[in-house]
Amino acid sequence: GESVGLHLPTLSVQEGDNSIINCAYSNSASDYFIWYKQESGKGPQFIIDIRSNMDKRQGQRVTVLLNKTVKHLSLQIAATQPGDSAVYFCAETSNTGKLIFGQGTTLQVKP
Amino acid sequence: EPEVTQTPSHQVTQMGQEVILRCVPISNHLYFYWYRQILGQKVEFLVSFYNNEISEKSEIFDDQFSVERPDGSNFTLKIRSTKLEDSAMYFCASSETPAGETQYFGPGTRLLVL
Repeated sequence: GESVGLHLPTLSVQEGDNSIINCAYSNSASDYFIWYKQESGKGPQFIIDIRSNMDKRQGQRVTVLLNKTVKHLSLQIAATQPGDSAVYFCAETSNTGKLIFGQGTTLQVKP
Repeated sequence: EPEVTQTPSHQVTQMGQEVILRCVPISNHLYFYWYRQILGQKVEFLVSFYNNEISEKSEIFDDQFSVERPDGSNFTLKIRSTKLEDSAMYFCASSETPAGETQYFGPGTRLLVL
């Protein structure tokens, strides 16, 4: 069935360290993946996306890696800051635009 | 920067009552979505809407739910007879095109059914 999941429910890192958040997806036909950040009481906020014809994409302090062989997606955050503390969701799209979200990983940044 | 807005931010209702959640998508977007998030859980797709028609709906989106674009700016979700299990955050999202394009989410409406 459809499912997108994350490996760890909570990740705790020291301020300034790099963070890596992982995601496993099950639908090998998915061709577009997005990482969203959700702060408490707010809606999901777009961070970065990647299409299936790519294996890496970089943004400002964030990098998304896609490994289609093992259906794995990761989000790397460089020099993690307290403002990065949030729940991070990976999501995949179907050809109708429906987003299928994973369970979410809570990132805690320790000062 | 354009953003999706939603009203109200919070809604408390009695079981069996009707509620209407409102959204104003980003103005040049053509595709609209509703999602919900039960407390502590992942975001779940409810329905997608384009050209005044439902494009896709999930199993959650049963006959008690309906969507409408009553004018050129608003997009609404109606729950006809609310149940306790409808308590959740409801997010509206919009995108310029469907598959392969970013969906932008509103801040959500927290619905509590008593």
